[in-house]
Amino acid sequence: QLQLQESGPGLVKPSETLSLTCTVSGSSISRSTYYWGWIRQPPGKGLEWIGNIYYNGSTYNNPSLKSRVTISVDTSKNHFSLKLTSVTAADTAVYYCARLSSNIVNRWGQGTLVTVSS
Amino acid sequence: EIVMTQSPATLSVSPGERATLSCRASQSVSSNLAWYQQKPGQAPRLLIFGASTRATGIPARFSGSGSGTEFTLTISSLQSEDLAVYYCQQYSFWPPWTFGQGTKVEI
Repeated sequence: QLQLQESGPGLVKPSETLSLTCTVSGSSISRSTYYWGWIRQPPGKGLEWIGNIYYNGSTYNNPSLKSRVTISVDTSKNHFSLKLTSVTAADTAVYYCARLSSNIVNRWGQGTLVTVSS
Repeated sequence: EIVMTQSPATLSVSPGERATLSCRASQSVSSNLAWYQQKPGQAPRLLIFGASTRATGIPARFSGSGSGTEFTLTISSLQSEDLAVYYCQQYSFWPPWTFGQGTKVEI
């Protein structure tokens, strides 16, 4: 049974770096069939795609987040990670990790709330 | 970037009635359109992909139609457990993959 579990600090100070990890169980992250991605949802608002990564490390990021986003993968640990630099209150959101097949999100993690506040 | 616009923002429907949700793309996305359901306090889940194909385990009362720029999600006979926000998402032109702003279905 595939499970995706986000982990990381729930509180980040403004201007610092948000770091999250998604641990995948029940499926190998190295399977060439899938991309692995991050999507976020500010409180009470809609969904915003952040970026995707393939098992070989190739990435696609949302241009709106410019160069603040880094997504990496560690196949030995079967997890992938998100780093978002220079955060502001606008980055406060529930962050979901996800599995994509043919560009469709067919599995979501439960999500983790990250609050940006001093 | 493809802009996805959903209407209405909120839809009030009685149990057993039909619900019709719309999604419009700023340019043609062919049939590369998915619908997701997000119940309160939960992560979204995939309902429909390819504009009209139900995902595994999705009840037959959910159906999708459309292509190009105009899409519809229909819930044929609304159940109380269908209370949720529904999002459309295009995956024709990326990055970025883009979502609509959501339609909230109230019972």
